[in-house]
Amino acid sequence: GQNIDQPTEMTATEGAIVQINCTYQTSGFNGLFWYQQHAGEAPTFLSYNVLDGLEEKGRFSSFLSRSKGYSYLLLKELQMKDSASYLCAVRPRNDYKLSFGAGTTVTVRA
Amino acid sequence: DAGVTQSPTHLIKTRGQQVTLRCSPKSGHDTVSWYQQALGQGPQFIFQYYEEEERQRGNFPDRFSGHQFPNYSSELNVNALLLGDSALYLCASSRDFPYEQYFGPGTRLTVT
Repeated sequence: GQNIDQPTEMTATEGAIVQINCTYQTSGFNGLFWYQQHAGEAPTFLSYNVLDGLEEKGRFSSFLSRSKGYSYLLLKELQMKDSASYLCAVRPRNDYKLSFGAGTTVTVRA
Repeated sequence: DAGVTQSPTHLIKTRGQQVTLRCSPKSGHDTVSWYQQALGQGPQFIFQYYEEEERQRGNFPDRFSGHQFPNYSSELNVNALLLGDSALYLCASSRDFPYEQYFGPGTRLTVT
């Protein structure tokens, strides 16, 4: 099976930086995804990492270390609209589904 | 370009009843996955349909069944509803493996 861990909650100030960590244990690996989910809405795709290293996309960056089973999502220049749940999801090798963590609720304060 | 659509938006059912949820994938996508998301949890994989067949199934009982039509749209059926089936049901579509999945707005099912 898959075991995906991420912190439950994080709070940060507008304009600051927040790093959301995700650790995983899976039977093989074929990519890690980050999704953003506002309350009552569907998850929206943020990033995809399959090779080690940092992927930058505007204010959001995602990092992957396959040997450590570790990823993080970095949110820079936080805005109030970034208050949401952030979901880490892994696709195991030879598997079609995504296995999700429970999500990290980020609250941005003024 | 329409994204993933789901219907209905909300649904209230009584224990023991049956429900059918519907999903139309994003244009160009041929694969549909269904997820159940309980409050405060991440989505849990129910099953995935490709070429009108169930390609993979998660740890859900046989009360959960589905179908994919030739136009790639899909249905999720749940029989003998239990209180614990109350959740947000998400449909996600993608081009075939290993592309990212795009989620619909979900159907909020409440079982009383």
